[in-house]
Amino acid sequence: AQSVTQPDIHITVSEGASLELRCNYSYGATPYLFWYVQSPGQGLQLLLKYFSGDTLVQGIKGFEAEFKRSQSSFNLRKPSVHWSDAAEYFCAVGASSGNTPLVFGKGTRLSVIA
Amino acid sequence: DVKVTQSSRYLVKRTGEKVFLECVQDMDHENMFWYRQDPGLGLRLIYFSYDVKMKEKGDIPEGYSVSREKKERFSLILESASTNQTSMYLCASKGITKGFTEAFFGQGTRLTVV
Repeated sequence: AQSVTQPDIHITVSEGASLELRCNYSYGATPYLFWYVQSPGQGLQLLLKYFSGDTLVQGIKGFEAEFKRSQSSFNLRKPSVHWSDAAEYFCAVGASSGNTPLVFGKGTRLSVIA
Repeated sequence: DVKVTQSSRYLVKRTGEKVFLECVQDMDHENMFWYRQDPGLGLRLIYFSYDVKMKEKGDIPEGYSVSREKKERFSLILESASTNQTSMYLCASKGITKGFTEAFFGQGTRLTVV
């Protein structure tokens, strides 16, 4: 069965500091991987996705993520965090075919302090 | 611009009422989903549909039903609302036959059952 683990429930970083949010997945075949962001009271917005090819993917708002098959990880990074990045972040995994839903992690809440 | 629209941002209903949450997508996507989001639990799948009139139970279908009479519309029904169904409800859609896509989300419906 597919599963996604986000080990950190809540992270606080200073504005301008670097950020890494962890995501580990369990999946039997090549996964499709996603990071979403949710601002308070809003729906989820896609930050980036990995389907195949280059294992370092660039997304919106200056985010990037690296797929590491050997570690079953897809960690999200940003070199310099802005106060507007405070939100909840969700990692998700999906199958490459068929009518199957995405499976989401429980999310990591990011707080940004001055 | 792709769009998933949920009929209400906020709803307040009484215990025992029948509640309809509506979701419409304009992307001709085959798959549609209803998730429930609660603090600390992430997104949990209630039901999904991979075609008109087709539905599959997700992880937490109890107390809910769904309807998909047209491809673009997917409704979530609470037959008799209870206070433990107070939550944020998120609708999403995903394409398949025109190429795998990520899931696109609506803005969410915050339901309070009193």
